[in-house]
Amino acid sequence: GAVVSQHPSRVICKSGTSVKIECRSLDFQATTMFWYRQFPKQSLMLMATSNEGSKATYEQGVEKDKFLINHASLTLSTLTVTSAHPEDSSFYICSAREVMLDPTNNEQFFGPGTRLTVL
Amino acid sequence: ELKVEQNPLFLSMQEGKNYTIYCNYSTTSDRLYWYRQDPGKSLESLFVLLSNGAVKQEGRLMASLDTKARLSTLHITAAVHDLSATYFCAVDTFNSGTYKYIFGTGTRLKVLA
Repeated sequence: GAVVSQHPSRVICKSGTSVKIECRSLDFQATTMFWYRQFPKQSLMLMATSNEGSKATYEQGVEKDKFLINHASLTLSTLTVTSAHPEDSSFYICSAREVMLDPTNNEQFFGPGTRLTVL
Repeated sequence: ELKVEQNPLFLSMQEGKNYTIYCNYSTTSDRLYWYRQDPGKSLESLFVLLSNGAVKQEGRLMASLDTKARLSTLHITAAVHDLSATYFCAVDTFNSGTYKYIFGTGTRLKVLA
């Protein structure tokens, strides 16, 4: 159980185009989904937190107009990188947290990641 | 701002040796997680530590949590080459109305044959 999928696993795009990444919780309902970014040889940095049906909360320094997040249902969140540039090339990992009565006792489950390369 | 620091950042060790990776964090939390990451891959969950004094062991790895000291350790016993990877700790924190994981800086481990 507790499987999170991402699609696509790899994407290469031209500078200036937009790219959408999907994150799905396959066997549980996720109250909250998270998007992390990881540059080579660095740690995972939290970009934003999204709750189903409400606007995402972005971490300091993350441009909300550039990284559009939609959490349309309890099993799907999307991250759209708008007008992508080479510096947006990174490994994007989503995570989902299950709906539980006690939110203090939940575990985040991580997707397999999406490698974005912007030419 | 929450800080999660790991020490060391890089570790090169011989097979058969023991070593400990440290994870220090700057805010109150009693839930901490350890992950392994192989190159080009996402995270593999290793340990879930949910209370002060928690100790978990799996194979050659053992993790512990001291919430009063805000410190977790990942101990490697008799290292083997297959343990070569990057290890991250993650602290569960409550911020802006949501629980979320904040990751440590990571420890890149290389076990030499």
